[in-house]
Amino acid sequence: ETGVTQSPTHLIKTRGQQVTLRCSSQSGHNTVSWYQQALGQGPQFIFQYYREEENGRGNFPPRFSGLQFPNYSSELNVNALELDDSALYLCASSLEQVGEQYFGPGTRLTVT
Amino acid sequence: GESVGLHLPTLSVQEGDNSIINCAYSNSASDYFIWYKQESGKGPQFIIDIRSNMDKRQGQRVTVLLNKTVKHLSLQIAATQPGDSAVYFCAENKNQGGKLIFGQGTELSVKP
Repeated sequence: ETGVTQSPTHLIKTRGQQVTLRCSSQSGHNTVSWYQQALGQGPQFIFQYYREEENGRGNFPPRFSGLQFPNYSSELNVNALELDDSALYLCASSLEQVGEQYFGPGTRLTVT
Repeated sequence: GESVGLHLPTLSVQEGDNSIINCAYSNSASDYFIWYKQESGKGPQFIIDIRSNMDKRQGQRVTVLLNKTVKHLSLQIAATQPGDSAVYFCAENKNQGGKLIFGQGTELSVKP
């Protein structure tokens, strides 16, 4: 186990709703990265937070937003959910921005 | 453009045989590559990494080879075991704020 935890493990939402996913980083890690993994695909980078600031963003619309807290835990918020948002959402923590990334088990989001 | 791709989506091997999983990348400026293992219901697990100034790196039962001339990366698993059954991803990190670019993945199946 990596020490990275995510909640909830599974979630079902309706199109148009909003969702918040949570991630607790490994002890001592100050950086959290979020990824979206569609079924049968590799993870796609959403964004990274380093010391409470967004530090790099992938090709995702503004309705994907995040936060990092002083204890380095993080949230991913998705507004106006679409069917294509159904995926496994992974967070990974690292010691620094470019350090080895340790992944959590993910949150499975289903949008109906 | 940026992409990391895999040659084969599935690989089936006999227990005890060696496995070779291949990966191609398109950006010659890439400087760091990682192999991840993802078991069903879990997040990606770090296996081994290699920097662009190296051609080969060995770990426990695993070896990663990097051929920069043809932009090819491979993961060799010695004496493959049933516990090695998983999806394997190569990922590229260009030190852009820690963004990892993943390939689609190869599913390794080990027959007893």
